[in-house]
Amino acid sequence: GQNIDQPTEMTATEGAIVQINCTYQTSGFNGLFWYQQHAGEAPTFLSYNVLDGLEEKGRFSSFLSRSKGYSYLLLKELQMKDSASYLCAVREGDYKLSFGAGTTVTVRA
Amino acid sequence: IAGITQAPTSQILAAGRRMTLRCTQDMRHNAMYWYRQDLGLGLRLIHYSNTAGTTGKGEVPDGYSVSRANTDDFPLTLASAVPSQTSVYFCASSQDSSGANVLTFGAGSRLTVL
Repeated sequence: GQNIDQPTEMTATEGAIVQINCTYQTSGFNGLFWYQQHAGEAPTFLSYNVLDGLEEKGRFSSFLSRSKGYSYLLLKELQMKDSASYLCAVREGDYKLSFGAGTTVTVRA
Repeated sequence: IAGITQAPTSQILAAGRRMTLRCTQDMRHNAMYWYRQDLGLGLRLIHYSNTAGTTGKGEVPDGYSVSRANTDDFPLTLASAVPSQTSVYFCASSQDSSGANVLTFGAGSRLTVL
C-alpha cells in the first residue's frame, strides 16, 4: 500500500503564489499526478511527473523528487477561480492510482 | 461531447436495497475505474477493469461488484446497501491502465443510504 500526505487547507490572496506539498511512500513508483476538483464537480487533470524535476504549464508548475518521495504543485498569479481542492495521486505499478485526501485552497480578494 | 456519463446523479435508498450505478464512456478507453470519495479520505478505488471482459479489486471492494461486458459500460452494483456506503461515487476511464495515462472522470453519483 501507500501513504500520501498533503495539507488539508491553504488560504492565499488573489495574485499571490501558493505551493501545495505532497509526500508519499510507495513501492513500484510509476508516476505522480495532480488533479483539480471544484466543489461538487469531477476531478480534472492538471499535471504529471515521472522523472525528477519541474514541469511547467502556464500558471501551474509541478515538481518531483523521487528519492525524497516528495512533490509540490505551484500555483502562480492566483485567481478566484483557482479556489478548489487539489489532489495528489501516485501510480504504483500499472493500474493502481492512489489519491491523497486533497488540499482545499481558498483564494481571497 | 465525448466523455463519461454517470446515472443517477443522486439517489436516496433504504438499507438492504440493491442499487446499480451506471457508467458509460464514448472515448473507446480500455481501462475503467470506480472510486468513492468521502470527506477527509479522498478518492478510494473500489474496482477497476483493464479491458472489456476483465475486472479487478481495488482498495475497498467489499459490498460492491462490477461487470465489463463491453468497452463502453462499467456498472457498479451494491447488492445490499448499508449506511457506510453513503458517498459520492466517481466513474473514470483512461486509454489504458499504465504509466502516464490520464484518468477522465464522470460527474459523480451522490448516494445516500438510510
